[in-house]
Amino acid sequence: NAGVTQTPKFQVLKTGQSMTLQCAQDMNHEYMSWYRQDPGMGLRLIHYSVGAGITDQGEVPNGYNVSRSTTEDFPLRLLSAAPSQTSVYFCASSYSRDWAYNEQFFGPGTRLTVL
Amino acid sequence: TQLLEQSPQFLSIQEGENLTVYCNSSSVFSSLQWYRQEPGEGPVLLVTVVTGGEVKKLKRLTFQFGDARKDSSLHITAAQPGDTGLYLCAGESTNAGKSTFGDGTTLTVKP
Repeated sequence: NAGVTQTPKFQVLKTGQSMTLQCAQDMNHEYMSWYRQDPGMGLRLIHYSVGAGITDQGEVPNGYNVSRSTTEDFPLRLLSAAPSQTSVYFCASSYSRDWAYNEQFFGPGTRLTVL
Repeated sequence: TQLLEQSPQFLSIQEGENLTVYCNSSSVFSSLQWYRQEPGEGPVLLVTVVTGGEVKKLKRLTFQFGDARKDSSLHITAAQPGDTGLYLCAGESTNAGKSTFGDGTTLTVKP
């Protein structure tokens, strides 16, 4: 199993550009989520999905869109990039959303810089 | 918004020393996780604690969940350079599906 994969690993954008961060998992996990991690801070939840066709907002959803058309894929779209979106983005997945008995597996991250 | 405060933010110690990292909140969590993250990688789960007062051991690491399920601690005995990394705690809210992460403790263990 490849686990959770993310592409690209690095990306530089200009203000106003749009792009999609890709996330895929091959563990047949129902729950997937996107986090951002800024220097000196922990991870903040952007969006999450409890299954194909179902998404919901997290703590910091503004400026980001998601969709979940398949169990395996959960792309994150930046509609119009802003310097405040410079961060490291992590995708995670788990069998279910009950953290007491399920482990969240994280991808290696995408480092995004917006100029 | 449920907040988790970790302390200390940075910790630099010599190999062989003991240390404790704290994770505190005014909110009650249904479970709490500890992660370790190395540079350029995603967090990796170390342990999950669920019951108030619970103590779990993972080799030289001891994790404790507070009786009221509002706080937790991570104690490392005889730290080694391989323990170097960012330690994150994350609490699961009673509204399941959302984890709140602390800001992390950056640990450096010098040989």
